[in-house]
Amino acid sequence: GAVVSQHPSWVICKSGTSVKIECRSLDFQATTMFWYRQFPKQSLMLMATSNEGSKATYEQGVEKDKFLINHASLTLSTLTVTSAHPEDSSFYICSAEGRGDKNIQYFGAGTRLSVL
Amino acid sequence: AQTVTQSQPEMSVQEAETVTLSCTYDTSENNYYLFWYKQPPSRQMILVIRQEAYKQQNATENRFSVNFQKAAKSFSLKISDSQLGDTAMYFCAFMKLFYNTNAGKSTFGDGTTLTVKP
Repeated sequence: GAVVSQHPSWVICKSGTSVKIECRSLDFQATTMFWYRQFPKQSLMLMATSNEGSKATYEQGVEKDKFLINHASLTLSTLTVTSAHPEDSSFYICSAEGRGDKNIQYFGAGTRLSVL
Repeated sequence: AQTVTQSQPEMSVQEAETVTLSCTYDTSENNYYLFWYKQPPSRQMILVIRQEAYKQQNATENRFSVNFQKAAKSFSLKISDSQLGDTAMYFCAFMKLFYNTNAGKSTFGDGTTLTVKP
């Protein structure tokens, strides 16, 4: 099946710094990518939807300036958490949907962000 | 807005037995997809099974099958011959289609933690 690589798998940063998370589709072109946030033992909450070459669509309540999403190519989307604070600590998951895949999402392995 | 409800936060089953996880959803859409995903302790989301709303036939994938009741907006997952490796959190998800891009936006339930006991 299709593979989505997410990097890094775990990052620890100081409060006030910015962190970039990459999501790559390795063997297919991802027309649409999704970014989710998951708290321990809880559900996935969609943060934003990004389409290659256009601005991301953010869900209600998600700060655009806080969580910057760039989908520069058909195989790469990045999520940058700007000026991170401890409350941004969470598990972030990306998924990618390819052309003609009948709406199947392929998930990355997730990134655990810890802000000190 | 769509909502997905999984009413069983935790379940357990003996190895080799059968277990059914429930899921109900609410939507005004007529065309959509439903999914069950598995999230083991590694936290990697794995697609278990998918159902297209316009298909009446219930989807099956080896030991996994669904009971899709469109009118009742119910989508349960049956796991037969449970194995220790089935231990995971299971999420039911509803996907609404974006008709202009053919992409889909998913809403997830709160999950059911399934433990398979030896």
